[in-house]
Amino acid sequence: DAGVTQSPTHLIKTRGQQVTLRCSPKSGHDTVSWYQQALGQGPQFIFQYYEEEERQRGNFPDRFSGHQFPNYSSELNVNALLLGDSALYLCASSGRVTEAFFGQGTRLTVV
Amino acid sequence: QKEVEQNSGPLSVPEGAIASLNCTYSDRGSQSFFWYRQYSGKSPELIMSIYSNGDKEDGRFTAQLNKASQYVSLLIRDSQPSDSATYLCAVNMERNTGFQKLVFGTGTRLLVSP
Repeated sequence: DAGVTQSPTHLIKTRGQQVTLRCSPKSGHDTVSWYQQALGQGPQFIFQYYEEEERQRGNFPDRFSGHQFPNYSSELNVNALLLGDSALYLCASSGRVTEAFFGQGTRLTVV
Repeated sequence: QKEVEQNSGPLSVPEGAIASLNCTYSDRGSQSFFWYRQYSGKSPELIMSIYSNGDKEDGRFTAQLNKASQYVSLLIRDSQPSDSATYLCAVNMERNTGFQKLVFGTGTRLLVSP
C-alpha cells in the first residue's frame, strides 16, 4: 500500500516565478491538506480539499491556490514567489475519522 | 497566546531513561490530539493519537491527556539514540466533522545520548 507521495522532492525557483507541487493521497483517503513548514517551526495549515472543493483555508494569501482531481490527488500552486515562500511543503491525506499522514514533502527554495 | 505551545528544547536524556515531552493548548473544546516525530530534513511521522482523558500506551510510548488542564504529554520509556528527533504536538481544530485541520506547536527537540 503506497503511502502519501509528493513530487518533486526538491525545487529551486526564482522570485516572481510560479510553482506547482503535487500530491497523491494514501489509498482509501479522500481528503488532502497542505501545510507549509518554515525552518525551526511547526507546519502551518494552508488549505484542505475534499470532493474537489476547498473546504478550509488557513491564513495564507491568494497567491496560494490549489486543486483536487477526481482521483483525490491534489496540486498546490504558488504564484509570484517571494523569498519568504522558501519552506518544506507538506501534503497530508486523511479519510473521515482517520488520522492525517504526511508525504515526504517538497523542499522549495526561492532565490 | 499561541494555540499550541511546546518547549523548544533541546531536551537531553541518557540512553535508557524516560523522556517526558509536554504540550499545552488554548482551545478548551479541542477533541483530538496527536504526536508526530520528525527527523531532521524529513517529514512528520504520526506516532500517537489520543482523544480521551487519561493515558494511552503503545510500546515504549505513552500519551497522556488532561483536558481540564489543556495539557498533553508524551513519555518515551527506555529512550534510544534513534529517538533523537523533533517531536511535534498537534491539535485538531475541527470538531465533530471527522476532518483534520491540525495546529502544531513548534516542536521539542529530543537528544538521547549513548
